[in-house]
Amino acid sequence: AQSVTQPDIHITVSEGASLELRCNYSYGATPYLFWYVQSPGQGLQLLLKYFSGDTLVQGIKGFEAEFKRSQSSFNLRKPSVHWSDAAEYFCAVVDIMDTGRRALTFGSGTRLQVQP
Amino acid sequence: DAEITQSPRHKITETGRQVTLACHQTWNHNNMFWYRQDLGHGLRLIHYSYGVQDTNKGEVSDGYSVSRSNTEDLPLTLESAASSQTSVYFCASSEGGRRSEQYFGPGTRLTVT
Repeated sequence: AQSVTQPDIHITVSEGASLELRCNYSYGATPYLFWYVQSPGQGLQLLLKYFSGDTLVQGIKGFEAEFKRSQSSFNLRKPSVHWSDAAEYFCAVVDIMDTGRRALTFGSGTRLQVQP
Repeated sequence: DAEITQSPRHKITETGRQVTLACHQTWNHNNMFWYRQDLGHGLRLIHYSYGVQDTNKGEVSDGYSVSRSNTEDLPLTLESAASSQTSVYFCASSEGGRRSEQYFGPGTRLTVT
């Protein structure tokens, strides 16, 4: 089974500041990686995904993520954070279950707080 | 627009009772998933289905069951609710294939007293 580590449980940034949320995965082959965002009381919304090719992927809401195989990382970034970005962010990797079927394995999440 | 819905959105039940959480998707997706979300654990997979009559156990399946009688629905049943099953439950669906992302429902908050 694969694992996903999000080392930062909680991050606080000022509005307008840049943001980087860390994600490390364990997977031998090329991983399929996702970032999801969860606003309070809501379900999860897909921000972006990486399958192959260009290691810098663009997503919705001005987010981007960079895949670095050498570091087993897929960090999420945003140049200038808005107050509406306050939410919980989850990194996920496609995992192969014991059944041979595929499902997502999630990290434990990073809660982002934005200060005015 | 296609969507995935869950009902009820909030549920309070007593220990030992059977509870069923509904999940309905209009994406016509083959794959459906149930997760629970607990503080510090992110989302953990309970059960999943890759099509009608197909069900599989996930990481935390003990005490839960699912059945898939049609494409649109994957109800989650807690056979005998326990306080440890107090959580937020999310249903998701995906088209299929190794690259397809999952679409999530709004969640059901379940409290077992």
